[in-house]
This record gives sequence, C-alpha cells and structure tokens, in this order.
Amino acid sequence: DAGVTQSPTHLIKTRGQQVTLRCSPKSGHDTVSWYQQALGQGPQFIFQYYEEEERQRGNFPDRFSGHQFPNYSSELNVNALLLGDSALYLCASSSYGLAGVPGDTQYFGPGTRLTVL
Amino acid sequence: AQSVTQLGSHVSVSEGALVLLRCNYSSSVPPYLFWYVQYPNQGLQLLLKYTSAATLVKGINGFEAEFKKSETSFHLTKPSAHMSDAAEYFCAVSDDNTDKLIFGTGTRLQVFP
Repeated sequence: DAGVTQSPTHLIKTRGQQVTLRCSPKSGHDTVSWYQQALGQGPQFIFQYYEEEERQRGNFPDRFSGHQFPNYSSELNVNALLLGDSALYLCASSSYGLAGVPGDTQYFGPGTRLTVL
Repeated sequence: AQSVTQLGSHVSVSEGALVLLRCNYSSSVPPYLFWYVQYPNQGLQLLLKYTSAATLVKGINGFEAEFKKSETSFHLTKPSAHMSDAAEYFCAVSDDNTDKLIFGTGTRLQVFP
C-alpha cells in the first residue's frame, strides 16, 4: 500500500518565479492538505482540497493556490516567489468521506524542499 | 482558537533514560491531540493520537501520552530512550470543526550514549 508521495524532492528557484509541487494521496484517501514548514518551525496549514475544491484555507496570500484532480492527487502552486517562501512543503492525506470529523488521522508525505534564491 | 505550546525546544537524555516531552493545549472544547515525529530530512510520522476514548494513549516505538484535562496537558513519554529516538517531535491539535492540524514549534530530542 503506497503512502503519500510528493515530487520533486528538492527544488531551487529564484525570486519572482513560479513553482508547482505535486502530491499523490495514500490509497483510499480523498482529501489532501498542504503545509509549509519553515526551518526550525512547526508546519503551518496552507489549504485543504476535497472533491476538487478548496475546502478550507490558512493564513496564506493568494500567491499560493492549488488544485485537486479527479484521481485525488493535488498540486500546490506558488507565484511570484519570495525568499521567505523557502521551506519544506508537506502534503498530507486523509479520508473525509461523509463525516469529515475532526481527529481524522492525516498521513504525511516526505515533503518537497523549496529553496528560493 | 485552538493552540498548542511545547515547552523546551531541545531535550537531551542519555540512552536508557526516561523521555518526557511537554505539550500544553488551549481549547474551548474537548480536543483531538496528536504527536508526530520527524526524522532528519523526512516528513512527519504519527506516533499517537488522543480522541477521548482513553486518557492514556499508547503509540508506536514504545511512546505513550497521557491526556490531563485539569492541566490541559498531553505530555509524551518513553520509559527508556534509544539512540534511534533522536528526532524532532511535534504536538498538534485539530481545529475546532475540521481536521486541520495546528502544530507546536517542536522539540528536538537528542539521545547520548
């Protein structure tokens, strides 16, 4: 049973560029959440996708956008990159289903390390 | 709004010693609480979670945590540290009405031989 996978593993971009990160959820999961983990910090929630729609969003600017595909995989897009966007981007999947109750376990991928120069 | 506070950004123990990592939560309703571990250059792995079924929660790798409502705490313990336990540990709480996770700032555990 494959877990959550993310690509690429590492990415180096320059300020002002755009980046796309990809995530495939754990088998059987239909919900994908994205988190940003700056160096030495805990992960911070960016947004969550379910049924191809953004279901909830954290305190991140519109430069951060996403998409979910019919096969439940997801992309995170960041436009106009800033130095402060350098971080580990984590994808987590869970099964929302009909309940969507708090406390559903989220399973994390290995992350994509983004460096903005 | 929910939040968690992890006391101590670094904890050092000798191999075989007790591990105690502290987490206090702020919540207006019974919370769902989690402990995750992150090894260097890796993602997060769930150690255990509290969902009100039992106050003492047993997790993987010999870790356990006790939910204490009176102290608003959910501290993580392991009776005997192993070198392989060296990692970053994060306490997290589910948001009030969703499964969004709110993380603490983490505690780095070092284990000395």
